[in-house]
Amino acid sequence: KAGVTQTPRYLIKTRGQQVTLSCSPISGHRSVSWYQQTPGQGLQFLFEYFSETQRNKGNFPGRFSGRQFSNSRSEMNVSTLELGDSALYLCASSSDRPGTGELFFGEGSRLTVL
Amino acid sequence: SQQGEEDPQALSIQEGENATMNCSYKTSINNLQWYRQNSGRGLVHLILIRSNEREKHSGRLRVTLDTSKKSSSLLITASRAADTASYFCATDANDYKLSFGAGTTVTVRA
Repeated sequence: KAGVTQTPRYLIKTRGQQVTLSCSPISGHRSVSWYQQTPGQGLQFLFEYFSETQRNKGNFPGRFSGRQFSNSRSEMNVSTLELGDSALYLCASSSDRPGTGELFFGEGSRLTVL
Repeated sequence: SQQGEEDPQALSIQEGENATMNCSYKTSINNLQWYRQNSGRGLVHLILIRSNEREKHSGRLRVTLDTSKKSSSLLITASRAADTASYFCATDANDYKLSFGAGTTVTVRA
């Protein structure tokens, strides 16, 4: 069965632009979580979606938003990019509430903001 | 802020030696998980230990959990070059997210 797919894998943007990242979970998984990973801050939780509903949100500014579609695919958007948004953005899926079992991670989208 | 903190931050060992890393967390948890990340890749689940368990084994991995001290340890026995990676603990506090620690970077020298 196919794993979690994230696109694009790499992208370069300039300050002030916006970016949309996509995540396709494992078939049958309805929960999708997003994390930002930077060398200084480690893995920071962004948000979690289940059946198109956001159930939890991390401590990030409103420039970070997400959504989930009826087929469980998820997107996250970052508007008005800042240099500090450069990071590896990881998506993970699970069949139920995150934490009840393992999370399955994608390979990530590496964003560089110039 | 992060729920878990790993110790040490980095560890360098010889192939065949054991590697031990520790994780401390702050709040009550349902379970604790360990993940591995190879450089710049996604995380891979290693093992899950529930709050009512004290020790769990999986292959060369041994995990302990002490809920009274809010701490866990991961032992990798007979390490191999392929074990070179970053290791993260993650806690489930029943709040629709896994909270990850800062990670321990393990380097296994041939």
